[in-house]
Amino acid sequence: QKEVEQNSGPLSVPEGAIASLNCTYSDRGSQSFFWYRQYSGKSPELIMFIYSNGDKEDGRFTAQLNKASQYVSLLIRDSQPSDSATYLCAVNYGGSQGNLIFGKGTKLSVKP
Amino acid sequence: DGGITQSPKYLFRKEGQNVTLSCEQNLNHDAMYWYRQDPGQGLRLIYYSQIVNDFQKGDIAEGYSVSREKKESFPLTVTSAQKNPTAFYLCASSTGTGVFSPLHFGNGTRLTVT
Repeated sequence: QKEVEQNSGPLSVPEGAIASLNCTYSDRGSQSFFWYRQYSGKSPELIMFIYSNGDKEDGRFTAQLNKASQYVSLLIRDSQPSDSATYLCAVNYGGSQGNLIFGKGTKLSVKP
Repeated sequence: DGGITQSPKYLFRKEGQNVTLSCEQNLNHDAMYWYRQDPGQGLRLIYYSQIVNDFQKGDIAEGYSVSREKKESFPLTVTSAQKNPTAFYLCASSTGTGVFSPLHFGNGTRLTVT
């Protein structure tokens, strides 16, 4: 059974701090990794994707992938109250995007 | 503007009735997907389609049916055989079918069956 695990939270950080969101996955052969943000009652929106080991930065967001440890994380620098949402990790274990598995999400709360 | 349109936003039905959810995209994406989201749960794949006139079952296809007669459209029918149909339904599309093609989601349809 392919699994993607996330701490459900809530993760509470003060405004301006770094928020660190973590995700582990069970299939060592997983090939692509995605982070989505979902505001309450809304649909998920893509934040970042990463395919290779290491870091990938986009503005205030950094995705980190460690395939040996089967671990992917999302760092949000200078967190803002508008970043308060649920963050979904999605992992593809190969073949097609029909094999994309979503975690249950981590709820982030950024306090002013 | 390009995007994925789901309609309606809210849908209410009586138990035992079939209901069809609409999903249209003008992004010229090849692949389209239907997911279901329940409170506190991850997204679960119902059906996906990589090309017109072809689709594959996802993890929870029982009680659902789809069609893909046009590249732009991928309607989902929730049949009376679906035991727990009340959920948030999300349609998505991607440029390609490979593992490196991010999914983009529509705004969702919230279905309530009583």
